[in-house]
Amino acid sequence: DTAVSQTPKYLVTQMGNDKSIKCEQNLGHDTMYWYKQDSKKFLKIMFSYNNKELIINETVPNRFSPKSPDKAHLNLHINSLELGDSAVYFCASTRYGQGQAFFGQGTRLTVV
Amino acid sequence: AQKITQTQPGMFVQEKEAVTLDCTYDTSDPSYGLFWYKQPSSGEMIFLIYQGSYDQQNATEGRYSLNFQKARKSANLVISASQLGDSAMYFCAMRGYTGTASKLTFGTGTRLQVTL
Repeated sequence: DTAVSQTPKYLVTQMGNDKSIKCEQNLGHDTMYWYKQDSKKFLKIMFSYNNKELIINETVPNRFSPKSPDKAHLNLHINSLELGDSAVYFCASTRYGQGQAFFGQGTRLTVV
Repeated sequence: AQKITQTQPGMFVQEKEAVTLDCTYDTSDPSYGLFWYKQPSSGEMIFLIYQGSYDQQNATEGRYSLNFQKARKSANLVISASQLGDSAMYFCAMRGYTGTASKLTFGTGTRLQVTL
């Protein structure tokens, strides 16, 4: 049973397209995140949701729109993809104020 | 604002030796958590060890221990008896809180190479 699962694992798409990445956690956590890892391996938070409510939006272009239909899911939709969006995107979840964050396996997005 | 600094972009260690990966942090939060994660070449993020800011004792998990020095704002990871499988990127991270916002801030990572 995967604790945090992301789909797809790989995504290759052309500039200008719109794509979505899905994330689901079965841990009963109330806080979920999206992180972007660039080519230098730097991990930067993009969004944080707590009980389906957007809490943190870290100066991310508004082409990126997260959606949390329920506490177990946090999806990321990206419009008008650009070359600079190529990166690995990680979903993570945690129980607010407690313990470690669990990460999904990552989605490697390549924009060509 | 929270900040995590890892000053060692790369480290080498011989198999079976111990190695220390440095991490310093800065925060104004009275309560915070410190984490270390391992990222092997396969890409997944693997949790290694956690230290709470009010924990009196240093955390240990098997061959991993966290040398927590609160006054110096450092949270170094010590790996004892290194194995070839320890070769990976290692990230130090801190969790802080602002109201209902909780986020993990990561350092830039240290790439550890274990040699024969």
